[in-house]
Amino acid sequence: GNSVTQMEGPVTLSEEAFLTINCTYTATGYPSLFWYVQYPGEGLQLLLKATKADDKGSNKGFEATYRKETTSFHLEKGSVQVSDSAVYFCALSLGKTSYDKVIFGPGTSLSVIP
Amino acid sequence: SQTIHQWPATLVQPVGSPLSLECTVEGTSNPNLYWYRQAAGRGLQLLFYSVGIGQISSEVPQNLSASRPQDRQFILSSKKLLLSDSGFYLCAWRLAGGLSSYNEQFFGPGTRLTVL
Repeated sequence: GNSVTQMEGPVTLSEEAFLTINCTYTATGYPSLFWYVQYPGEGLQLLLKATKADDKGSNKGFEATYRKETTSFHLEKGSVQVSDSAVYFCALSLGKTSYDKVIFGPGTSLSVIP
Repeated sequence: SQTIHQWPATLVQPVGSPLSLECTVEGTSNPNLYWYRQAAGRGLQLLFYSVGIGQISSEVPQNLSASRPQDRQFILSSKKLLLSDSGFYLCAWRLAGGLSSYNEQFFGPGTRLTVL
């Protein structure tokens, strides 16, 4: 079946450290891939996305590259800030016309300390 | 621009009481609509989704139900709440049709439900 696997954490980093959150997927067909972020007490927001192999999504200093050969979409940021503390969700979508479903990973909690 | 509203923001209900959570979307037509639950410290669980008025698909059998009486209104209900229904409920919408796999979901601010 279709699924998303990601490290659950919690991940604790010092400010300005390098961040990697691994995400791998299993899917039939050619999914679109997403990273969402959830700040405490809020809903999810789209952080970035990629819709085909080798696409790189980027936003707010975060990047992720769609790697079809390794079925991965790892999230990276060169220098994290305290304000990046949140839960990050990797997700995929296969977008069939009558069954429009998004599959989320379990989420990775990130805490950035000053 | 599109916006999504959920209310109430927080709710405390006794076991066995009914529930009604409402979600409305503005600025778009015929969206796909979703209800998710997020238990404390856990990931997202898809509860229901809808591709049109009156069309509801259930992902997890339970004591919750959903309805879509209008194009941009999605309601989550229960006749009798259980302790296990506590959690953070999120509504989301997404553009439908075409290459919809490209389209991200937009989430509401959520409702924090505590069942005592």
